[in-house]
Amino acid sequence: DAKTTQPTSMDCAEGRAANLPCNHSTISGNEYVYWYRQIHSQGPQYIIHGLKNNETNEMASLIITEDRKSSTLILPHATLRDTAVYYCIVRAINQAGTALIFGKGTTLSVSS
Amino acid sequence: KAGVTQTPRYLIKTRGQQVTLSCSPISGHRSVSWYQQTPGQGLQFLFEYFSETQRNKGNFPGRFSGRQFSNSRSEMNVSTLELGDSALYLCASSAMLDSPLHFGNGTRLTVT
Repeated sequence: DAKTTQPTSMDCAEGRAANLPCNHSTISGNEYVYWYRQIHSQGPQYIIHGLKNNETNEMASLIITEDRKSSTLILPHATLRDTAVYYCIVRAINQAGTALIFGKGTTLSVSS
Repeated sequence: KAGVTQTPRYLIKTRGQQVTLSCSPISGHRSVSWYQQTPGQGLQFLFEYFSETQRNKGNFPGRFSGRQFSNSRSEMNVSTLELGDSALYLCASSAMLDSPLHFGNGTRLTVT
């Protein structure tokens, strides 16, 4: 089962920041927080990941709370093309493998 | 750099037949994983390969199998197809076991 909880859906106005929350209260010390998104009929797209420090790349920023029990993905200036299902995933890297366990994600709708 | 390539893009098979799907990872990537996506169950992990060895397997029946070749290309096979096997099958590759996964756009299999 997925180890994360996300809102089912969110709306955002074009040009505004989209802040997508994720709860992962049972995360372990060796588990990373990953974010992917999936646009209809395409494969999931990697966005960003982090362990405990905040991370930023050209697509988004990831803010992880100090206790690591929750995180927020920030799309600074949402566009219509950011409309997608966003998945927050807790991923452990161990000898048994590195599978991603997907939950239902958050459907983000960006409107003009 | 070319992304993950999956062939064919669409496939229609009849119950009882078997099918082979192909995946070419990003150049230089050594790990390949397979996922099944259905409207009811969402994205589910099938198996993961690294350097031609299966590292991890999801909770799927033995009718689902896969392999990885020395050039990192991978195939998955489903024998004795059932209607419930209709799904989008996604392949993902990563440079190393602890690197982000990058997905292809999948093969949509329809079983009639």
